[in-house]
Amino acid sequence: DVKVTQSSRYLVKRTGEKVFLECVQDMDHENMFWYRQDPGLGLRLIYFSYDVKMKEKGDIPEGYSVSREKKERFSLILESASTNQTSMYLCASSYGTGVGLEQYFGPGTRLTVT
Amino acid sequence: GENVEQHPSTLSVQEGDSAVIKCTYSDSASNYFPWYKQELGKGPQLIIDIRSNVGEKKDQRIAVTLNKTAKHFSLHITETQPEDSAVYFCAASGSDMRFGAGTRLTVKP
Repeated sequence: DVKVTQSSRYLVKRTGEKVFLECVQDMDHENMFWYRQDPGLGLRLIYFSYDVKMKEKGDIPEGYSVSREKKERFSLILESASTNQTSMYLCASSYGTGVGLEQYFGPGTRLTVT
Repeated sequence: GENVEQHPSTLSVQEGDSAVIKCTYSDSASNYFPWYKQELGKGPQLIIDIRSNVGEKKDQRIAVTLNKTAKHFSLHITETQPEDSAVYFCAASGSDMRFGAGTRLTVKP
């Protein structure tokens, strides 16, 4: 079974702190994604990566950056956390190239910024 | 870009009844339509998907139908059970994958 793990299930940070969310997948997937999930808004794509050291902006990249130094690991960085970044963050991965690929999700990290 | 609308946002049914969730999409180039189930405290998990060359697909108590002309697709759950209670997301994938806002399904015993 594909396993996608996220470093923390719950995280509480203060406004202005730098926050790192880590995601690791164990199935040698090329593609990795970061979403945020908010009630009534579904899943919104923040950033994605199709290869090591490669990144592409999603729909809501402002206030976030990412890093993919190794194929299995995709990190989301909040340079200076703000209260409007309080949310559930979901990492996903998929195999192959092109579109129409099943995405496998991690359990999520619920981030609260106070 | 793609826009996916999902209805209803909440759905409550009695155990044993059927549940139907509907989604519409805007991008006629979309060709892959997965459905995800998210249980409390977990990430979304794929339960069924359909591609644009197929009109209907079944897997035990769940089925998905696709109408490409009308740009809508639906999830059908028959003989619902309390463990079906969860949030369900539809998605449409063309050049990128877009998700609906989710439906919270409650199955009352």
